[in-house]
Amino acid sequence: EDQVTQSPEALRLQEGESSSLNCSYTVSGLRGLFWYRQDPGKGPEFLFTLYSAGEEKEKERLKATLTKKESFLHITAPKPEDSATYLCAVPGRGATNKLIFGTGTLLAVQP
Amino acid sequence: KAGVTQTPRYLIKTRGQQVTLSCSPISGHRSVSWYQQTPGQGLQFLFEYFSETQRNKGNFPGRFSGRQFSNSRSEMNVSTLELGDSALYLCASSSTGTANTGELFFGEGSRLTVL
Repeated sequence: EDQVTQSPEALRLQEGESSSLNCSYTVSGLRGLFWYRQDPGKGPEFLFTLYSAGEEKEKERLKATLTKKESFLHITAPKPEDSATYLCAVPGRGATNKLIFGTGTLLAVQP
Repeated sequence: KAGVTQTPRYLIKTRGQQVTLSCSPISGHRSVSWYQQTPGQGLQFLFEYFSETQRNKGNFPGRFSGRQFSNSRSEMNVSTLELGDSALYLCASSSTGTANTGELFFGEGSRLTVL
């Protein structure tokens, strides 16, 4: 069964202190790896899609990378507004919009 | 363009009762999925509807059911509520038939508390 595991569960950073979040996956034939951001009391918001090892995507202070077994979300010089839960997911098999999510990393950036 | 709308946003029920949650997808989106989010389990897939047909169902008991109407609006129902059903229920819509882009649009959720 396809699985997604995220680490750490929680991360506290000082403003400007760069770090990375990890998402490891076990799937039979990767069909994409997706990153979402979720703010408290809100639904997840789509960030990135990665399809193949070596691929990178960037958005402001966030950069997502992909290897054959894991993905990293690098946060460079974070700001307090980057505080959120970051989720990664892989698609279910076949003709479906089902996503299999990891349990997320709760990021807190302190000023 | 209006986003995904879920109602009600908050509700409190007692054990044994039933509940119906509603989701209006983004206009033009024919795919609607439902997820249960709890602190311990994270986001768990419940079911997915595409053009009024259930295409996929997660590993939940038969007390959880859903449907989709011809205007793509969807409802989910939980009967005989248990304490463990307390969760945030999220609805997501998509303009495509498969998760090839990974981009689902989520509503803000319905927070269910079972006492």
